[in-house]
Amino acid sequence: EDQVTQSPEALRLQEGESSSLNCSYTVSGLRGLFWYRQDPGKGPEFLFTLYSAGEEKEKERLKATLTKKESFLHITAPKPEDSATYLCAVQAGGAQKLVFGQGTRLTINP
Amino acid sequence: NAGVTQTPKFQVLKTGQSMTLQCAQDMNHNSMYWYRQDPGMGLRLIYYSASEGTTDKGEVPNGYNVSRLNKREFSLRLESAAPSQTSVYFCASRWGTADEKLFFGSGTQLSVL
Repeated sequence: EDQVTQSPEALRLQEGESSSLNCSYTVSGLRGLFWYRQDPGKGPEFLFTLYSAGEEKEKERLKATLTKKESFLHITAPKPEDSATYLCAVQAGGAQKLVFGQGTRLTINP
Repeated sequence: NAGVTQTPKFQVLKTGQSMTLQCAQDMNHNSMYWYRQDPGMGLRLIYYSASEGTTDKGEVPNGYNVSRLNKREFSLRLESAAPSQTSVYFCASRWGTADEKLFFGSGTQLSVL
């Protein structure tokens, strides 16, 4: 069964304090690993797709990396507007659905 | 562009009542999905429609029905609501291939008393 586990559940940082969020997965034939950002009361918003181990993608203060068993979302010098819940999801080969982790709630204090 | 539009945004039902959640997308996407989101559970797939005219069950289909009305619209119906169906419901869509990103609506917060 395809599974995604995110850690930590919640993370509180000071503005400018860099850190990483973890997404561990087990899937039969990875087609893609997705990162989404979700603000309170809104739907998830796409950030990145990673397709193979060793791949990295960046967007502003965020960088996503992928290994054969996990993905990291690195946040460099975060700002309060980076506060959100970050969701990880995997797409298995031949499947129609994305399997989501439970998310990491990130709070950046000014 | 509106993207994915869900109605209503909020709904309160009594146990046993029925209702339909509406979803429409204006991106000409082939595939549409209904997810529910519960605290600590992540997003779980209820039903999906890979293309117009087809629907399939996801992880948690019991108590729900869906209709792919046309390429744009995909509705979710609760025939007899139960308190366990209290949740936030999200509709999503994508062009069709499995390695493409989903676009989500803003959600419907449903409470069943």
